[in-house]
Amino acid sequence: DAKTTQPNSMESNEEEPVHLPCNHSTISGTDYIHWYRQLPSQGPEYVIHGLTSNVNNRMASLAIAEDRKSSTLILHRATLRDAAVYYCILRGMGSGGSNYKLTFGKGTLLTVNP
Amino acid sequence: EAGVAQSPRYKIIEKRQSVAFWCNPISGHATLYWYQQILGQGPKLLIQFQNNGVVDDSQLPKDRFSAERLKGVDSTLKIQPAKLEDSAVYLCASSTIQGGGQGRPGELFFGEGSRLTVL
Repeated sequence: DAKTTQPNSMESNEEEPVHLPCNHSTISGTDYIHWYRQLPSQGPEYVIHGLTSNVNNRMASLAIAEDRKSSTLILHRATLRDAAVYYCILRGMGSGGSNYKLTFGKGTLLTVNP
Repeated sequence: EAGVAQSPRYKIIEKRQSVAFWCNPISGHATLYWYQQILGQGPKLLIQFQNNGVVDDSQLPKDRFSAERLKGVDSTLKIQPAKLEDSAVYLCASSTIQGGGQGRPGELFFGEGSRLTVL
């Protein structure tokens, strides 16, 4: 599996934007970039994913570099409820089978200060 | 909408004892995963089922861990005998293949996990 590199931790203030970086220099042309987050004492939950173009949803935005070797998860206005570990994961494009397997790294622990 | 259900939430056992965890995935999800998450680390995939067949069990310690998914719905993960290093949260997740209903193809939905402490 292609690897991702994320900072161990980041800190933000409430109601400010947060930019969580992820490097994936060995990404292949068919890898999707997925972001999940894990709130304390819960299982991970899906945040967003993309392939080449920037993506927006109600939770966050995903900005993908033109060469696809890095991406940034953007939380537009952090709240205390956004304090979690954020995982950046690469996943193959094929349908079903082992292509739906997610390999998690250590992620980035986001602390949000009131 | 019902999510992924797991039980028990907490379990404390002594080493060399056995333990079993149960998972009920989201209705209609063909793919089911068991992950192990040790404190301070990201989840590690133990086994992946598609319907009732095993897709990937390369990281399952087969000398002590076993898992089954009879009838392609519920699943159980068993550890026998347990070791101290098995202390972890065991997470079950499920995903759909064809989309529609709950989730995009390949989007994983996780349960709250079963926390195991081995003394």
